[in-house]
This record gives sequence, structure tokens and C-alpha cells, in this order.
Amino acid sequence: DAGITQSPRHKVTETGTPVTLRCHQTENHRYMYWYRQDPGHGLRLIHYSYGVKDTDKGEVSDGYSVSRSKTEDFLLTLESATSSQTSVYFCAISESEVTDTQYFGPGTRLTVL
Amino acid sequence: GQQLNQSPQSMFIQEGEDVSMNCTSSSIFNTWLWYKQDPGEGPVLLIALYKAGELTSNGRLTAQFGITRKDSFLNISASIPSDVGIYFCAGQSGAGSYQLTFGKGTKLSVIP
Repeated sequence: DAGITQSPRHKVTETGTPVTLRCHQTENHRYMYWYRQDPGHGLRLIHYSYGVKDTDKGEVSDGYSVSRSKTEDFLLTLESATSSQTSVYFCAISESEVTDTQYFGPGTRLTVL
Repeated sequence: GQQLNQSPQSMFIQEGEDVSMNCTSSSIFNTWLWYKQDPGEGPVLLIALYKAGELTSNGRLTAQFGITRKDSFLNISASIPSDVGIYFCAGQSGAGSYQLTFGKGTKLSVIP
């Protein structure tokens, strides 16, 4: 299994509060991704990173920001959480964009009340 | 954006039966991937396909990259109870894109 951890694994928060989710990898892979998974929508890309301090938006980036100050860590921040951001969040990593075989972390279940 | 149509959405089968599922797209993809997700876990890569027409096996699983590059198929032979889960297809269009487009999943239930 790829060395990917996510923290926290579960979180309940209130509308309007800031939330930060962390993804940590031990594989030294260059590319990291944040997805959200919702019933009936499958996995949708929020943001991705192609190197330290290099990030870009995905399909559903509104309301989210990311940062990557080290190769091993990719942070996802909800500046002001809303109920529509209740979801399961997955981090993924890949060694290159050519093969694009992404390996997923165990997920974080976020509930915004 | 690009969309993948994955079917069926769910299926119930008897243990020992073969299973087929597929994904279709209106766009061409350069890479097709198949993942399985168990409850409470992240998706796990099963098979990766990189060439049109490619047929690849992983144990009882066989996947094909459609010749038109707009579809892919996954077959599971002689299903067992641990095959239960959600299967996702994903496609990468290439051309400098790092992004994968995922299907909505096929939920497989195996009746012992």
C-alpha cells in the first residue's frame, strides 16, 4: 500500500468555521490531489499540486484552498465551511502525470452542521 | 466538463457468476483505470490501460481499452463474496492534463 495518511479521519464542525484537512505521504511522489466523494457524483477533483508551492484548481474548487509547502504534505482548507461541503474527502498521490496512476488515502469524513 | 457514463449502477449476482461492467465517454481518453472501493476505504487501483485495444488481466479481473478510446470494460470471473464493493472507472485525456475523470461507480453485491 502507498504510504498515504489523512488527518483527521472524521470531523464534525459548524457552518462558518474554518477547517483544514491534512494529507501526508511517505512516497516522495510529486503529484498530490484532493477529491470529494458524494453519493451520485462519484469522485470529483477539488485541487491538485504538481510540486512544492505549485497548485491548480480542479472541477469543484469554489470554497476551497490548498497549500503545499513540503513534498510530503498537502493541506486542504475550507475557509468558512458550509453544509454543502459535507462529504468524504480523499487525498491521492501519483509519481508522474504520464501514467497518472493515482493512489488514494483512506479518506476524511467531514460533516458540517 | 468531460463525463463518464458507467453502467450498471448496481448489480446483485450469485457467487460464482461472471460480472461485466462498462464505461463510455463522449470524449477520447488516453488512459483508462479501474478502481475498487470497499466501505470506509479509499479506492484501490485494480487495472490500468494505456493503449487502444489493450486487454489486461489481474487475477480474475480482465479489463479492455476500447478501440475507439471512448470506452472501457471490466469483467470479473467466478465472483466471490470479497468482490463486493463499488467499482469505478476513470479516464485521463492526456495532452498535459493531470486530471482524472471518474465514473459514478457500479455497486456490486454478491449473494453467497
